[in-house]
Amino acid sequence: GAGVSQSPRYKVTKRGQDVALRCDPISGHVSLYWYRQALGQGPEFLTYFNYEAQQDKSGLPNDRFSAERPEGSISTLTIQRTEQRDSAMYRCASSLAGGLAGGWTYEQYFGPGTRLTVT
Amino acid sequence: TQLLEQSPQFLSIQEGENLTVYCNSSSVFSSLQWYRQEPGEGPVLLVTVVTGGEVKKLKRLTFQFGDARKDSSLHITAAQPGDTGLYLCAGLSSARQLTFGSGTQLTVLP
Repeated sequence: GAGVSQSPRYKVTKRGQDVALRCDPISGHVSLYWYRQALGQGPEFLTYFNYEAQQDKSGLPNDRFSAERPEGSISTLTIQRTEQRDSAMYRCASSLAGGLAGGWTYEQYFGPGTRLTVT
Repeated sequence: TQLLEQSPQFLSIQEGENLTVYCNSSSVFSSLQWYRQEPGEGPVLLVTVVTGGEVKKLKRLTFQFGDARKDSSLHITAAQPGDTGLYLCAGLSSARQLTFGSGTQLTVLP
């Protein structure tokens, strides 16, 4: 079946512009996660959703970053007034469900990412 | 903030050699996962360890979770060029958040 897809794969924008990054999770996956990843480093958590509800946004760097998942499927990460320091690979992941209960573990499936470059 | 430190950061070895990658934290995790990431792709889950002291084997890869659930190791036997990639450990906290380690870039030379 189809995996997690993200669009666009590459985005070049000028400083000060707003950008919207899209994530289409695996069908039926309850949880959706956004990460930012620097080259050669592990992903850094930004935020995650269960269904349409944003459960944790503690990783969002500042109030220029926001995310939504209005119908519990596709999600959009929006960065307003972009700055050069926002340049990074933004990855989305989905899982059947989030959390650990009674020894059950979950697997996150990652998308190919959107490479954002702010000039 | 829970931090996971991986060592070494870079490792270049010859085909057929053995290697061990370490993942250490001062925090306790509910479970710990190991991922492998190839260039241009997202991380792919290799294994999840849940119980302190647990050892899991996946062909030539052996994963161990520390007794105190603060550290883990990945041992690869007879490495092959196809093992080349970025290896990431990730700890799942009680807050249901995955914290990734800093990564180990492995290169296996033919």
